[in-house]
Amino acid sequence: DTAVSQTPKYLVTQMGNDKSIKCEQNLGHDTMYWYKQDSKKFLKIMFSYNNKELIINETVPNRFSPKSPDKAHLNLHINSLELGDSAVYFCASRIGQQETQYFGPGTRLLVL
Amino acid sequence: EDQVTQSPEALRLQEGESSSLNCSYTVSGLRGLFWYRQDPGKGPEFLFTLYSAGEEKEKERLKATLTKKESFLHITAPKPEDSATYLCAVVGSSNTGKLIFGQGTTLQVKP
Repeated sequence: DTAVSQTPKYLVTQMGNDKSIKCEQNLGHDTMYWYKQDSKKFLKIMFSYNNKELIINETVPNRFSPKSPDKAHLNLHINSLELGDSAVYFCASRIGQQETQYFGPGTRLLVL
Repeated sequence: EDQVTQSPEALRLQEGESSSLNCSYTVSGLRGLFWYRQDPGKGPEFLFTLYSAGEEKEKERLKATLTKKESFLHITAPKPEDSATYLCAVVGSSNTGKLIFGQGTTLQVKP
C-alpha cells in the first residue's frame, strides 16, 4: 500500500565512500523529486525528474547524481561522501499540473 | 526570490488550548500554498493545499486559511496526538513544481 517508498531507511558510512538511495512510487505520478532536510529540519529541493528527464537541478555538488530508470523510480548516487552530507533525504512525487507533492519516509544518512 | 517564514518556531499548548500557527510568504505568482505535518523520524504528510486569498480548508481539528501575504493553521482544542512539526511551503509561477519550505513550527500538546 506504500505510496512513496525509499531504501534504505538508514545509511551509516565512512567519509569517501560511494552510496546510493532508491525511491519508488506506485501513485502513477510522472514527476519525482529529491529533497534534503538538514539538522534544523529545513527542507530544500535538490533535483526533479519528469518522465525520466531532469527538469530541476539546484546548486548541488556534482558528487550527487540522480538517475531515473523509469517514471516510477528515482535513485540518488553520492560519490566521495563528506561529513556535511549527513542529513535526511526525502523522495517526493506529483502528477501533471497538480502542485501537491507526496513524500516518502526518508533515508537517514550519517557520514562518519 | 520566493520565501517562506513560519512563526513561532516552537509552541507548547495544553490539551484543549486552541491556537494558530503563522506562515508568511513572498512569492511571484502563487500557484499554491501547502501545509504538511511531520512526525519525528517520518516524512512530511500532506494536509492542505490553498490556491487563492480567502480560501479555507478544514480537517478534523485543523483549519487552514490564506491571505495575500500569509496563511494560518488554526488548531482547535488540540490533543496530544496533534504534537508534530507543521511545515508550510509555496510554489510560485517562476518556480513551477518547486516547493519552497519554511523552517517549520514544532507543536507540543501536553495532556
